[in-house]
Amino acid sequence: AQSVTQLGSHVSVSEGALVLLRCNYSSSVPPYLFWYVQYPNQGLQLLLKYTTGATLVKGINGFEAEFKKSETSFHLTKPSAHMSDAAEYFCAVSVDYGGATNKLIFGTGTLLAVQP
Amino acid sequence: SQTIHQWPATLVQPVGSPLSLECTVEGTSNPNLYWYRQAAGRGLQLLFYSVGIGQISSEVPQNLSASRPQDRQFILSSKKLLLSDSGFYLCAWTKGRAFQNIQYFGAGTRLSVL
Repeated sequence: AQSVTQLGSHVSVSEGALVLLRCNYSSSVPPYLFWYVQYPNQGLQLLLKYTTGATLVKGINGFEAEFKKSETSFHLTKPSAHMSDAAEYFCAVSVDYGGATNKLIFGTGTLLAVQP
Repeated sequence: SQTIHQWPATLVQPVGSPLSLECTVEGTSNPNLYWYRQAAGRGLQLLFYSVGIGQISSEVPQNLSASRPQDRQFILSSKKLLLSDSGFYLCAWTKGRAFQNIQYFGAGTRLSVL
């Protein structure tokens, strides 16, 4: 069965510092992986997704993630944090649900704080 | 372009009262629709999904039910709310059944059961 683990429920960085949010997946088949961001009291917005092809995926707002099959990881990074990046980030894997629909399995989320 | 609407944005209800949350999608047809609940520190839990009018699949047995009376309308209901029903409820849609399809989320409804 597919699953997602996000290490670190809270991450704090200084403005301008590197952002690294960790995500490991478990999947018996090649996975489709997603990162979503949620700002306070809002819905989720897609940051980026990995399906097939290039393992380094670029998303919105300067974020990128690298799919590493050998490490079963899909960590999210941004070279320089901005105050506006403060939000909760969710990693998700798409699951084969018998063909009826696609189903997302989410990690428990990582709350990113950016200090001035 | 497609948009998804949820209402109300916030709701405070007493224990034992009924619930009706509504979600509508514009700009597409025959979407797959989903209801999620987000409890503090627990991520997102899929509650129901629907691939067509009147077709509802439940993921978690609970005090809630869902209905899809029209192609682009998805309703989450309860006859009697419990304290444990408090949380942030999110509706989402996707087009088609492919794994790589993106799910698009509404702005959510924050429900407090007192």
